[in-house]
Amino acid sequence: QVQLQESGPGLVRPSETLSLTCTVSGGSVINYYWSWIRQSPGKGLEWIAYISHSGTTNYNPSVKSRLTISIDTSKNQFSLKLRSVTAADTAVYFCARHGPGSWYSFDTWGQGTLLSVSS
Amino acid sequence: DIQMTQSPSTLSASVGDRVSFTCRASQTISSRLAWYQQKPGKAPKLLIYEASRLQSGVPSRFSGSGSGTEFTLTISSLQPDDFATYYCQHYNKYLWTFTQGTKVEIK
Repeated sequence: QVQLQESGPGLVRPSETLSLTCTVSGGSVINYYWSWIRQSPGKGLEWIAYISHSGTTNYNPSVKSRLTISIDTSKNQFSLKLRSVTAADTAVYFCARHGPGSWYSFDTWGQGTLLSVSS
Repeated sequence: DIQMTQSPSTLSASVGDRVSFTCRASQTISSRLAWYQQKPGKAPKLLIYEASRLQSGVPSRFSGSGSGTEFTLTISSLQPDDFATYYCQHYNKYLWTFTQGTKVEIK
């Protein structure tokens, strides 16, 4: 059974760059599609970025100018970099797999990692 | 942009009750709609995809229906494990959006 595990710094200072990694175990990143989704009390669940196993990407327009998603098939990981963070980026960040049954939904999620932006 | 709204925001119910939540779109949408259950401190769990398809491993008391602008998640007989928050999620043109959810509380 595939499992996803997010890893990140936990605390980032305003204006810095956030880096998060999702490690996939029990399965391969190849032939699937992957996303990052965040959840904050103020904005609820927000999809922010998508990447295919071949590296095709798409971003939520709300964060597109600050975001880069990448994939490393040799490490079975995909990653997120969010630049110029502010307090509004404080949230729990989830990585998720697009369902093999339906690419339009997310069938497997990581447990989430809390990111706080504070000086 | 398509706007999605979910109602009610909170629902009080008892074990054994039949409960339903509705997700409405501002315009006719495809069946690219999913429902999730989330418990505090946990990730969302996929229940229904493509509006009415039951995700593998999800109990059959959960069902999804609807088309056009109105979609419904129904729990036929509420169980103690079902007290949680439920979200609908829609896909359109490389944008996945979630609603604010319905919290199911014990009556």
